Amino acid sequence: AQSVTQLDSHVSVSEGTPVLLRCNYSSSYSPSLFWYVQHPNKGLQLLLKYTSAATLVKGINGFEAEFKKSETSFHLTKPSAHMSDAAEYFCVVSDGIGNNRKLIWGLGTSLAVNP
Amino acid sequence: GAGVSQSPSNKVTEKGKDVELRCDPISGHTALYWYRQSLGQGLEFLIYFQGNSAPDKSGLPSDRFSAERTGGSVSTLTIQRTQQEDSAVYLCASRLNTDTQYFGPGTRLTVL
Repeated sequence: AQSVTQLDSHVSVSEGTPVLLRCNYSSSYSPSLFWYVQHPNKGLQLLLKYTSAATLVKGINGFEAEFKKSETSFHLTKPSAHMSDAAEYFCVVSDGIGNNRKLIWGLGTSLAVNP
Repeated sequence: GAGVSQSPSNKVTEKGKDVELRCDPISGHTALYWYRQSLGQGLEFLIYFQGNSAPDKSGLPSDRFSAERTGGSVSTLTIQRTQQEDSAVYLCASRLNTDTQYFGPGTRLTVL
């Protein structure tokens, strides 16, 4: 069965410093992996996704993630945090094949950005 | 609009009442999902529709929960005899042919 573990429930960084949000997954076959962001009182927005093409995936707002099969990781990074990055971030793996797919969600990492 | 919409955005109800939550997916998206997000938690899968049929209802927490989809478009999630533990944000998502799901803004349900 697929599962996702976000290693940190809360991360706090200073504006302008790098961001690292950690995610490990388990999967019995080649997974699709996603990062979603949820700003306060806003809907979920797709940041980026990995679907077995390039292992380094670039997303919106300067975020990127690297798929490392040997480490079963899909950590999210950004070189320089902005205040507007403060939000909840979810690492997600797609379960199932064909049309019968559902997303398995991590519990989320709350990112705080300090001035 | 081009995105997934949900209504109402907020719903406050009394314990024991029934509620209906509505989801309008992106036009043409054949797959539709309902999730529940409790305070401080990740998303909990409830039910998945492909067209009008629901091949996966495994996430519905009890028989008080049901959902239907008509015309391959709008879906309604119904919770009967609401309980306080049903309080959560209910999210709808739709998908076409890829893995990517597009989410609506959610309905915040509060059961008093």
